[in-house]
Amino acid sequence: DAKTTQPTSMDCAEGRAANLPCNHSTISGNEYVYWYRQIHSQGPQYIIHGLKNNETNEMASLIITEDRKSSTLILPHATLRDTAVYYCIVRVASDYKLSFGAGTTVTVRA
Amino acid sequence: NAGVTQTPKFQVLKTGQSMTLQCAQDMNHNSMYWYRQDPGMGLRLIYYSASEGTTDKGEVPNGYNVSRLNKREFSLRLESAAPSQTSVYFCASSRTGTSVRNEQFFGPGTRLTVL
Repeated sequence: DAKTTQPTSMDCAEGRAANLPCNHSTISGNEYVYWYRQIHSQGPQYIIHGLKNNETNEMASLIITEDRKSSTLILPHATLRDTAVYYCIVRVASDYKLSFGAGTTVTVRA
Repeated sequence: NAGVTQTPKFQVLKTGQSMTLQCAQDMNHNSMYWYRQDPGMGLRLIYYSASEGTTDKGEVPNGYNVSRLNKREFSLRLESAAPSQTSVYFCASSRTGTSVRNEQFFGPGTRLTVL
């Protein structure tokens, strides 16, 4: 059973913010939300994670709704190099496994 | 630092042949992982090693064996390759497996075709 639902694909204009939604309506209280991305043919790369507070780092911001049933990854100024498949993952800290779904294919256009 | 390295980068096997995929990390990480990725799909965990001397099955372990040779190296063996094992194989490592962040660092992948 998929724990997260993401759109299959989305386009974004270079220099604009990219907002990537993720639904995780069955998330448990001890599960964190993680985002990874996979640039073509490479291994996935960690972006950010959060529990219930909004988080920001040098790559992106993560906004988690108050009921924690959905979240949005924000790439503030998308560049062509941000073209990738973005994976939203929920996980408890004690679980070694990262469960990758199909992700969202983001294409940044000049 | 090289990070996570994998050999070979590409491999073609015939059904029934065996081979070992090699993975090494130089980040002094405790936990290591093997994933496979089929076309158009996300990664699926085959096996993982929480720490040196331990290995555990992931989601899709059938047809594979692993060895955690030492803290740096984690190999994946296909004893009798089947066409269903055609995939891209990624090795990953993390400082620990049960931390909140558990940032996994991935290698470049091995592209395996079984004819």
